[in-house]
Amino acid sequence: SQKIEQNSEALNIQEGKTATLTCNYTNYSPAYLQWYRQDPGRGPVFLLLIRENEKEKRKERLKVTFDTTLKQSLFHITASQPADSATYLCALKKSSGDKLTFGTGTRLAVRP
Amino acid sequence: NAGVTQTPKFQVLKTGQSMTLQCAQDMNHNSMYWYRQDPGMGLRLIYYSASEGTTDKGEVPNGYNVSRLNKREFSLRLESAAPSQTSVYFCASSEPGYAGNTIYFGEGSWLTVV
Repeated sequence: SQKIEQNSEALNIQEGKTATLTCNYTNYSPAYLQWYRQDPGRGPVFLLLIRENEKEKRKERLKVTFDTTLKQSLFHITASQPADSATYLCALKKSSGDKLTFGTGTRLAVRP
Repeated sequence: NAGVTQTPKFQVLKTGQSMTLQCAQDMNHNSMYWYRQDPGMGLRLIYYSASEGTTDKGEVPNGYNVSRLNKREFSLRLESAAPSQTSVYFCASSEPGYAGNTIYFGEGSWLTVV
């Protein structure tokens, strides 16, 4: 089965810096890779999706890269703000008919 | 437009008691899901329903049953609660398509079994 690794240690950065979160996976290469944001006491919220044939996807201050050779996705938040503090989950999907497999998430803390 | 609504928000059960978590979505999605989230384990799929009238087991179905009452509603039942079922439960829905099956989650139900 697919194994997804996200850094369990919190990432602490200074406001204004770029936050970079990592999602590594083993076994098969997924058709889709998604990133979600989860605030304490809330459900995850979808942020971005990237397909296996895409190298990079951007949305406002967010950027996701997908390297199928390294079996890794990087999630970047540029010009980070304290409001970006949350846990970020990556999720993989083998094919369009498959179910999403979630990582355990990485907590990001942006200090003013 | 409420999205995915689940109840109750919090519940404490004694071992052996039963209860049902309710979930409804107003996005006209065909697919619905129940996940549990535990520290260090991430989100794990309990059951899902690809469409009205169908249900399938996910990764951790033991101890649970589900009912897809209609297109909007998908309930999760614990017949005889165990302390190992202490967790946060999330209901979710999705519509497959170009977006690659983006999932919309409810706000969660915190369940403690003592």
